[in-house]
Amino acid sequence: DAGVIQSPRHEVTEMGQEVTLRCKPISGHNSLFWYRQTMMRGLELLIYFNNNVPIDDSGMPEDRFSAKMPNASFSTLKIQPSEPRDSAVYFCASSPRLAGGRETQYFGPGTRLLVL
Amino acid sequence: AQSVTQLDSQVPVFEEAPVELRCNYSSSVSVYLFWYVQYPNQGLQLLLKYLSGSTLVKGINGFEAEFNKSQTSFHLRKPSVHISDTAEYFCAVSDQRGSGNTGKLIFGQGTTLQVKP
Repeated sequence: DAGVIQSPRHEVTEMGQEVTLRCKPISGHNSLFWYRQTMMRGLELLIYFNNNVPIDDSGMPEDRFSAKMPNASFSTLKIQPSEPRDSAVYFCASSPRLAGGRETQYFGPGTRLLVL
Repeated sequence: AQSVTQLDSQVPVFEEAPVELRCNYSSSVSVYLFWYVQYPNQGLQLLLKYLSGSTLVKGINGFEAEFNKSQTSFHLRKPSVHISDTAEYFCAVSDQRGSGNTGKLIFGQGTTLQVKP
């Protein structure tokens, strides 16, 4: 099993540029989560999907952030325009189903984003 | 909403010594509890989880945790640590709204376990 795949693994961009992070969940998993990790704020849940439908996006910091899941095998997190304070490691995780939070979440290796 | 408190941000310990990483959560009727580990430059992976039943849960790499409902704690233990256990450890609890679980997890701030030779 390939696990959760994220791309790119590293991204360096300049303030004001658009950034797109990509995630391929484990095949057969119906739930997908986007997290952001920083030293100051720890691990924050940004948004999660179930069966390709966004369930809760209350963690998305502002309108500059958007996420989509056009099909069961692909999701994107977009930041437009990017700002230096968006610098962080972004993780994607998937689980077989929500099941009230009983299921294990499987994390990808993360995308390390640096906005200059 | 649920909350999770990891009482120690860093725990230094010598190799082969026992270790306990502490985790407290806000009280609720029923919760699911998790410990995840993050090795440097990697994503998180599950160590163990408590869903129901026996309060002592055994996980991978010799770790175990005990669910204590009266103290709302879920401390992680290992009787003898190795250098390779050096990592960040996260406690997490299932989020609840009203009478049900939302399906998402609330993570603690993490505890850095540093195993010294």
